[in-house]
Amino acid sequence: GESVGLHLPTLSVQEGDNSIINCAYSNSASDYFIWYKQESGKGPQFIIDIRSNMDKRQGQRVTVLLNKTVKHLSLQIAATQPGDSAVYFCADLEGYSTLTFGKGTMLLVSP
Amino acid sequence: NAGVTQTPKFQVLKTGQSMTLQCAQDMNHNSMYWYRQDPGMGLRLIYYSASEGTTDKGEVPNGYNVSRLNKREFSLRLESAAPSQTSVYFCASTIDRGRSYTFGSGTRLTVV
Repeated sequence: GESVGLHLPTLSVQEGDNSIINCAYSNSASDYFIWYKQESGKGPQFIIDIRSNMDKRQGQRVTVLLNKTVKHLSLQIAATQPGDSAVYFCADLEGYSTLTFGKGTMLLVSP
Repeated sequence: NAGVTQTPKFQVLKTGQSMTLQCAQDMNHNSMYWYRQDPGMGLRLIYYSASEGTTDKGEVPNGYNVSRLNKREFSLRLESAAPSQTSVYFCASTIDRGRSYTFGSGTRLTVV
């Protein structure tokens, strides 16, 4: 498979645990934030997004928290499953500019 | 719906050779993008096309050219491949700027 996971921060959890993946962004003017999941050999897949006028948004088993004061974004995955094993990227965007991606975190879920 | 389709999926080039990576989307999206992904570097924007008929440079455009052939297709050309261009290339599209992108499955390019 591809070597996208080399040198990435890694979070190892047990199946059924809750996972928290963190991301710091640098552009204080960013107003839109997205989490993507990338499985080995595939392209990034949209998970959840949040606008800057919100602090929290929930999806199915996932929650995104936004702290604009410290420019921090987190993704919480409830009851983590082996199928959640992947690399997770945050991305931010200001207005109609282009998405800027973080370097990613690898999530490893053991049964 | 196929979404975003990239061809080829794998390619090996010799230094100095040229090639074009193809990308097509069937979602009637207006904006299209080319990213490269290297280990530990995340995704970096090479070029983008905000709408049919326009193209702009991204973060790492050197050594590449692009063509927005029509609303569906956006190609990336390497005129003289270099080992530093060994990477995984992703095409993406979005209905409007300021929205999330849909990605293709990637082209894995090795330049020897």
